[in-house]
Amino acid sequence: RKEVEQDPGPFNVPEGATVAFNCTYSNSASQSFFWYRQDCRKEPKLLMSVYSSGNEDGRFTAQLNRASQYISLLIRDSKLSDSATYLCVVNPETSYDKVIFGPGTSLSVIP
Amino acid sequence: AAGVIQSPRHLIKEKRETATLKCYPIPRHDTVYWYQQGPGQDPQFLISFYEKMQSDKGSIPDRFSAQQFSDYHSELNMSSLELGDSALYFCASSTTGTSFGYTFGSGTRLTVV
Repeated sequence: RKEVEQDPGPFNVPEGATVAFNCTYSNSASQSFFWYRQDCRKEPKLLMSVYSSGNEDGRFTAQLNRASQYISLLIRDSKLSDSATYLCVVNPETSYDKVIFGPGTSLSVIP
Repeated sequence: AAGVIQSPRHLIKEKRETATLKCYPIPRHDTVYWYQQGPGQDPQFLISFYEKMQSDKGSIPDRFSAQQFSDYHSELNMSSLELGDSALYFCASSTTGTSFGYTFGSGTRLTVV
């Protein structure tokens, strides 16, 4: 079983739709959680960190459920420019350790 | 704002050749990470350095080596290249602890022919 798993996708949604991505992680000691987006053939870019209390940034809302080891990302009012691969990223320990990437979920927003 | 700089952007090498990839982290970032992303794959951790010392090692082949220099830039050296080494190689940097996430460079696309 992979350490970080995500919805397989792809998600094809019309503009203006609301879409939710799910992610689960296996290491209960994981400390930090992030959502990155990656456009085709480009580097991953940090979308948002995920906090225990949940956090929102404009149309994006991230939630963390430590008990269930589950992270979610909600995108409201989807735009064409949201089309990308969304990577769930988990830092298993504190300090300078590596992070683990999920396999990513592809989103295509259709006019 | 300064970002993570990687060079070269593209590199084409023949099998059994050697390649060197360079990474210049964001100023004052003390940790550098190298990731390899094959076609259709998620990024796989290779190696990291904290304050010029290797801090963690992932699925890095023995044919690869890396180091971080006194100016904090890092180089990934790849020898006896194989076709399967063709991938995007990303460097990322952060300050100690990753609670603020990494910043990735634009990557080096290596093609081995």
